[in-house]
Amino acid sequence: HVQLQESGPGLVKASQTLSLTCTVSGGSISSAGYYWSWIRQHPGEGLEWIGHIYYSGSTYYNPSLESRLTISVDTSKNQFSLKVSSVTAADTAVYYCARRARGYYVDYWGQGTLVTVSS
Amino acid sequence: SYVLTQPPSVSVAPGQTASITCGGNNIGSKSVHWYQQKPGQAPVLVVYDDSDRPSGIPARFSGSNSGNTATLTISRVEAGDEADYYCQLWDSGSHPYVVFGGGTKLTVL
Repeated sequence: HVQLQESGPGLVKASQTLSLTCTVSGGSISSAGYYWSWIRQHPGEGLEWIGHIYYSGSTYYNPSLESRLTISVDTSKNQFSLKVSSVTAADTAVYYCARRARGYYVDYWGQGTLVTVSS
Repeated sequence: SYVLTQPPSVSVAPGQTASITCGGNNIGSKSVHWYQQKPGQAPVLVVYDDSDRPSGIPARFSGSNSGNTATLTISRVEAGDEADYYCQLWDSGSHPYVVFGGGTKLTVL
């Protein structure tokens, strides 16, 4: 049973870089066919896909965010990470890490972590 | 970019059937997935690949997809089904990415 846990600062200053890490347990991040995803949800709003990464390092990013994003993977630690640069109040959201299965759906989610961007 | 359109809200009495639609251009040619999200919780997959259910999801949850509309149907609705529901697909265009619908709030009257 795969479990994912987000970690990182809950408060980031505007113009700085948001950094989160997701630790995967109960399964290997190097398992074939699975992509490791970041998804966010602005307060009171819907889900927004940020991007995902394969254990090999191959990435797909949301075109609207791509210029500010970096997603990386550390297979030795069974972790993957998200960096969003030049944040503004519009980046305030609950950030979820998740596993995207072979069929392009998300079958496991982390509990989510609220990141607030302060001015 | 590909757009998925859901009604903001659907209301249904307990025991009745709820239908939540997800509209998109020729969506019937794509695989659609559905998630349930209760307040303060992470989403849960309830239907994948248009009509398949993950283990542990009641058979009351079913899906269909044809033409320009995908539909999540919840039969014999219970109070515990009250939640937000999101459709999702993979847009494999020139710049592939994951698309979510805007979400539908299901209210059990």
